[in-house]
Amino acid sequence: AQKVTQAQTEISVVEKEDVTLDCVYETRDTTYYLFWYKQPPSGELVFLIRRNSFDEQNEISGRYSWNFQKSTSSFNFTITASQVVDSAVYFCALSEPNYGGSQGNLIFGKGTKLSVKP
Amino acid sequence: NAGVTQTPKFQVLKTGQSMTLQCAQDMNHNSMYWYRQDPGMGLRLIYYSASEGTTDKGEVPNGYNVSRLNKREFSLRLESAAPSQTSVYFCASQNPPTAYNEQFFGPGTRLTVL
Repeated sequence: AQKVTQAQTEISVVEKEDVTLDCVYETRDTTYYLFWYKQPPSGELVFLIRRNSFDEQNEISGRYSWNFQKSTSSFNFTITASQVVDSAVYFCALSEPNYGGSQGNLIFGKGTKLSVKP
Repeated sequence: NAGVTQTPKFQVLKTGQSMTLQCAQDMNHNSMYWYRQDPGMGLRLIYYSASEGTTDKGEVPNGYNVSRLNKREFSLRLESAAPSQTSVYFCASQNPPTAYNEQFFGPGTRLTVL
């Protein structure tokens, strides 16, 4: 069965701390895609990154980095030197070409609410 | 280029009332989706439309109907609203409808059913 688990419901840090958001997934497919979305307090969902199952290279974008490890079925997201503007709910999601519905369907985790305090 | 738009932004209904949530996208995307977001539950797929003229059930379709009016518009209808349908509803679009492509989301509709 396909499943995405974000075990951390809420995290609170002080500005400039580093923080890692965990994402663990389950899939039977060998080809799949993983996504991270950000939902700031304003409510809209913003796409952050996509990773395919054949590319285990870590990705860094400014203060954001992502660590994909197939051996542990994890796709973790780290924010370095966090800022108040990073406060949001972050969702990890899984997409599989051979999923029963549309090939584009996303399976979301329940989200992690990050609060960065000044 | 507005992306994905949703109307209304907020709505309060009484139990048993009906309403239609509207969604439109101007990105010429083939696929469109309706999700609901509840506290602690993440986003759950209600219905989707892989292309114009087709619709299919998602994870939580009961109590809802959809219409893919044309390529741009995908509406969600609640025929007889229930308090359990109090939620934030998001519409999304994607092109093409493959596992590789990200979905683009609208701003959401916050619905309260009393």
